[in-house]
Amino acid sequence: GAVVSQHPSRVICKSGTSVKIECRSLDFQATTMFWYRQFPKKSLMLMATSNEGSKATYEQGVEKDKFLINHASLTLSTLTVTSAHPEDSSFYICSATRTSGRVGKGTDTQYFGPGTRLTVL
Amino acid sequence: GDSVTQMEGPVTLSEEAFLTINCTYTATGYPSLFWYVQYPGEGLQLLLKATKADDKGSNKGFEATYRKETTSFHLEKGSVQVSDSAVYFCALNTVTYKYIFGTGTRLKVLA
Repeated sequence: GAVVSQHPSRVICKSGTSVKIECRSLDFQATTMFWYRQFPKKSLMLMATSNEGSKATYEQGVEKDKFLINHASLTLSTLTVTSAHPEDSSFYICSATRTSGRVGKGTDTQYFGPGTRLTVL
Repeated sequence: GDSVTQMEGPVTLSEEAFLTINCTYTATGYPSLFWYVQYPGEGLQLLLKATKADDKGSNKGFEATYRKETTSFHLEKGSVQVSDSAVYFCALNTVTYKYIFGTGTRLKVLA
């Protein structure tokens, strides 16, 4: 099956620093990747949609300048949390679809990474 | 807007009990419906899916039927095991690749 990895799995940083999280599709090309945030005992909140070679599309209420997304290749997307604060502490999950990027009904499965636990002190 | 509503948990069952986790949805158009499972300390894994009305998704003994008339996609399993303890998320997507997730239902199965 399709595999999506994330690195690091867990990171602890000081307030004010920046943290980069990588999301890789290991055995398929992912035109589109998604970044989610999961709060304790809550559902996943879509933060942004990342398309290879173009700017990410952010959901309403998500700060573009704080959560920088770069989809540099068909197998790699990165999320950088800039000037992190304790309220940014969360579980960040990426996912990827193995599609041609066509517009239409989203019947293709999303494959999720294992997540990255960010703790900002 | 599109939304997914799941029954609140946690759900606690004894081993070999019957499981039902309710999921209803609101969507424009004709969504695809999914159940994802998240085991402790792990990411989400696709459990099953259905792409059109009356389709039944099944995997690992779990089943869910896409009911357009009741806008539901309830998850069922005839005999749960301790290893089924996890959080289960119902989700949908429609004409985009955006997924709308429910809030998740925690299942705890006791030996």
